Amino acid sequence: GAVVSQHPSWVICKSGTSVKIECRSLDFQATTMFWYRQFPKQSLMLMATSNEGSKATYEQGVEKDKFLINHASLTLSTLTVTSAHPEDSSFYICSAPPPGGYSGANVLTFGAGSRLTVL
Amino acid sequence: GNSVTQMEGPVTLSEEAFLTINCTYTATGYPSLFWYVQYPGEGLQLLLKATKADDKGSNKGFEATYRKETTSFHLEKGSVQVSDSAVYFCASLSGGYNKLIFGAGTRLAVHP
Repeated sequence: GAVVSQHPSWVICKSGTSVKIECRSLDFQATTMFWYRQFPKQSLMLMATSNEGSKATYEQGVEKDKFLINHASLTLSTLTVTSAHPEDSSFYICSAPPPGGYSGANVLTFGAGSRLTVL
Repeated sequence: GNSVTQMEGPVTLSEEAFLTINCTYTATGYPSLFWYVQYPGEGLQLLLKATKADDKGSNKGFEATYRKETTSFHLEKGSVQVSDSAVYFCASLSGGYNKLIFGAGTRLAVHP
């Protein structure tokens, strides 16, 4: 089945540095990918929708300049946390629609997530 | 706006015990409802779903029934196994996939 790979799975960085997280669709193309953020014991919250060939669509309250999203190809989307601070520490998860696109029967494929710890 | 509320964990059970994880939703109209499971170190996987009232989703011994009158979609399993230990997320979907809303997740730990 469709697989989404995230890298790195765990990253620790110093405050003020930038961190890039990659999300790849393996063996299928994804013109759209979704980035979520999950705080401990809380829901996954959609941050933005990544669109291949155009700008990402950010949810209300998400800082575009803080969380840079680039959908570089049909199989790769990256999330860069710029000038990271401890409050950015979280679990970031990406997902992609399945091959064939949306339908009631098709569901999203999720990556395993990337845990960011900012010291 | 739409929301999903599920019971807090962790839920700790002995093997072969009965499992219920409660989930209720608020939504405009009638959303599709899902249960996802996340095993340690893995991505979220769809466990089961229901797209309309009174539908029952089932998979791997788990079941959930879409109850419109109580706006609920409780997850049940008659006899849990150690391998069921994971985090379970209830979710609702109204419209495009950018409208998928998750509950906070419930961690299940099953002991031999």
